[in-house]
Amino acid sequence: AQKVTQAQTEISVVEKEDVTLDCVYETRDTTYYLFWYKQPPSGELVFLIRRNSFDEQNEISGRYSWNFQKSTSSFNFTITASQVVDSAVYFCALRHNQFYFGTGTSLTVIP
Amino acid sequence: DGGITQSPKYLFRKEGQNVTLSCEQNLNHDAMYWYRQDPGQGLRLIYYSQIVNDFQKGDIAEGYSVSREKKESFPLTVTSAQKNPTAFYLCASSTTSISVRQFFGPGTRLTVL
Repeated sequence: AQKVTQAQTEISVVEKEDVTLDCVYETRDTTYYLFWYKQPPSGELVFLIRRNSFDEQNEISGRYSWNFQKSTSSFNFTITASQVVDSAVYFCALRHNQFYFGTGTSLTVIP
Repeated sequence: DGGITQSPKYLFRKEGQNVTLSCEQNLNHDAMYWYRQDPGQGLRLIYYSQIVNDFQKGDIAEGYSVSREKKESFPLTVTSAQKNPTAFYLCASSTTSISVRQFFGPGTRLTVL
């Protein structure tokens, strides 16, 4: 069975702090893809990153970075020097045939 | 520009009325999906379709119906049988390749009075 767990329901940080959002997944498949989406207050999901199961390289994009570790089935997302505009709900998702979403982590960045 | 459109953004209906939410995509995607999101909750799959004239129930299909007569369109009807229809509804599309992400529409916020 496929499953994505985002154990952190809500996180609050003060602006400029670093924050890591956890994502743990379960799958028996060897080929799969992992995704992160951001949902700002407007509601539309914004795609952030895709990672395939064969590529364990970490990725950095500006203040965002992602750490993929197959050994622990985790695909964690770090925001460095957080800003108020980072306040949103963040979803981690897994795709083999179908899509499986975590329940999301609501991040609030306090000015 | 390619993308997904959902209309309207906000929808109000009286209890007991059926209502249809529109979803159109011009991305040439075979697969389309409907999700429901309640405040503070994650996404729950209502229905999905991987090809025209075929669709499957998701986790919470009761009280909803869909059709897929055209590749570009996947309307969702919220029927009077849905006990608690007030929610945010998101439509998405993708190809059938597992490497492709889902593309999401802007959502429709349905309020039943």
